[in-house]
Amino acid sequence: NAGVTQTPKFRILKIGQSMTLQCTQDMNHNYMYWYRQDPGMGLKLIYYSVGAGITDKGEVPNGYNVSRSTTEDFPLRLELAAPSQTSVYFCASSLGTGGGNEQFFGPGTRLTVL
Amino acid sequence: AQSVTQLDSQVPVFEEAPVELRCNYSSSVSVYLFWYVQYPNQGLQLLLKYLSGSTLVKGINGFEAEFNKSQTSFHLRKPSVHISDTAEYFCAVLRVNFNKFYFGSGTKLNVKP
Repeated sequence: NAGVTQTPKFRILKIGQSMTLQCTQDMNHNYMYWYRQDPGMGLKLIYYSVGAGITDKGEVPNGYNVSRSTTEDFPLRLELAAPSQTSVYFCASSLGTGGGNEQFFGPGTRLTVL
Repeated sequence: AQSVTQLDSQVPVFEEAPVELRCNYSSSVSVYLFWYVQYPNQGLQLLLKYLSGSTLVKGINGFEAEFNKSQTSFHLRKPSVHISDTAEYFCAVLRVNFNKFYFGSGTKLNVKP
């Protein structure tokens, strides 16, 4: 049981390049989330999904896109990378928020945009 | 709007001393409360959570937290810290029947020998 896995661990992008951050969970969780973590700012929600085919915006969705074609995978796409997107990105999953189920986090992807 | 406040961005403490990390939230509806720990270069791990019932919640690694509804607080405590507790701690709130978690800005606990 690997939990939540993220690839890559590190990436450097040039301004204007695009990339996809991969996230996979093997716990059969319906809910999945993408956060970014900036120093001293805590975690900001980018997008989330409550099941395959269903996604919704979080607090800071601009510059990002997501899709959820399967229960297991929830990739995050950056189309035109900007320096403001330099951050650590975390994917998380949950059984669902009913009953107060907690989130399980991946190890993160550290992205630098130069 | 939901907000979670962790007033202390950094807390230095000597080994074996007690520590309290503060968390306050704003919500007019029922909430679930969580504390997560993040060790350097790792993801977040759940320390403990409050859903209902007893206001004192015990978690892993000797941590506990107390829910205070009147003060809308959920402070984290440990009676005697170890060097290995050096990490960043995040408080999070989940409104009942909502899909999103709200995280505080984090408190870095630095345990010194």
